[in-house]
This record gives sequence, C-alpha cells and structure tokens, in this order.
Amino acid sequence: GQQLNQSPQSMFIQEGEDVSMNCTSSSIFNTWLWYKQEPGEGPVLLIALYKAGELTSNGRLTAQFGITRKDSFLNISASIPSDVGIYFCAGQPPVDMRFGAGTRLTVKP
Amino acid sequence: GAVVSQHPSWVICKSGTSVKIECRSLDFQATTMFWYRQFPKQSLMLMATSNEGSKATYEQGVEKDKFLINHASLTLSTLTVTSAHPEDSSFYICSALGQSDYGYTFGSGTRLTVV
Repeated sequence: GQQLNQSPQSMFIQEGEDVSMNCTSSSIFNTWLWYKQEPGEGPVLLIALYKAGELTSNGRLTAQFGITRKDSFLNISASIPSDVGIYFCAGQPPVDMRFGAGTRLTVKP
Repeated sequence: GAVVSQHPSWVICKSGTSVKIECRSLDFQATTMFWYRQFPKQSLMLMATSNEGSKATYEQGVEKDKFLINHASLTLSTLTVTSAHPEDSSFYICSALGQSDYGYTFGSGTRLTVV
C-alpha cells in the first residue's frame, strides 16, 4: 500500500519556538490530513487539505498541500506546553486513510 | 460536530477468550467505518474497512477469522477479537466516515490487555 514518510520522528523544543514537520509519499493523495494524538486517546483532526497548493491555518497551526500532491507540511508557531503530543499526517487515496509514523513533540517551558 | 463513541475504553481479558469492541457514531450516519491498531510508540495501522450491510475488507496480514467485524447499522460497527492472545494486546481505534467526507472522526480508542 501507499507509504507515508513523516519527519522528524521527534522534536524537543523550547516554549515559544516554531515547529515544522512534513510528510512525503511516493503516491499521489487526494486529501492530506493532520491529526494530534494525546496519550490514551484517539487522534483529533487539526487541519484537512483538499487541493494541491492549498494553504490552511487553524490558529497557530498552518498546513500546506504540496503542488505535486505527494507531500504536506505542518507548522506550529509560538509553541506552548499544551502542544505536546504526537502529530500524524494522513493521506486519503481516496477513501481509506494511511498514516505517517508520527512526530512526537515535547515542549519545554 | 461529529462524535464517535468507542466502548469499552479499556479491557483486560484472559488468553483464549473473546472481546467485543463497539464503535458508534452518535450524531451522524457512518457509511464506512475503519478499524486501526496502534502498538506503543507506533503509528496507526489500518486493519479493516467496514461498510454498512456488507463484509469488511481486511488489510493484508490481518486475519479476518480472528478479528471479526460487523457493521449491521449506519451507526454501529463492532470488532471482536476472538481467542485473544497476549500479542493481541494493543490500542484499537475506530474511525467513521459520514456522508460528507470532511475528514474522519475517531473514537477515543480501546486499550486491550490480554493476560
């Protein structure tokens, strides 16, 4: 099946710093989604992208759907301690959904 | 917004017994539901896709006789882990796709521990 490569695997940052993570695939996706998962919980949708080139923001989060439809990035600006968690990218090719391996974010106060 | 309720949130069972996990869409009709398994510090791995009223489609390597999926109504899908073994211990998460495909809504997950 389609493989999603997500990087970095983990990040340790200081509160207030900006964060950037990305996903690439060898296949084209129709939709890119970014989720956040906290321990013992299911993923929660942060941002959904539906068109190549689309740039969408949700508060301090910004995500873009790559022009080639094979990549996406998520930026978090001015990180705060509650941003801690695992961030997953997911692609829909077009119906079921495949997940990246996740980026584990730690924010030091 | 769309809410998916997953039950139980955690379960401990003995080896050889069966466990049923329920996934309900509370305020929308879910034409399609998905079941994922997540091992510690790993990503979500799709196990199967279930469509209401038809047989589930299993991913390669997932035993359909061991992980029984039933999607008898537009608001309920169940996953039964039959003859559970310790290696089946994992976090199982369902998600539901409604009739508008604006992303998926996930349940809160079920932590299964087989002893």
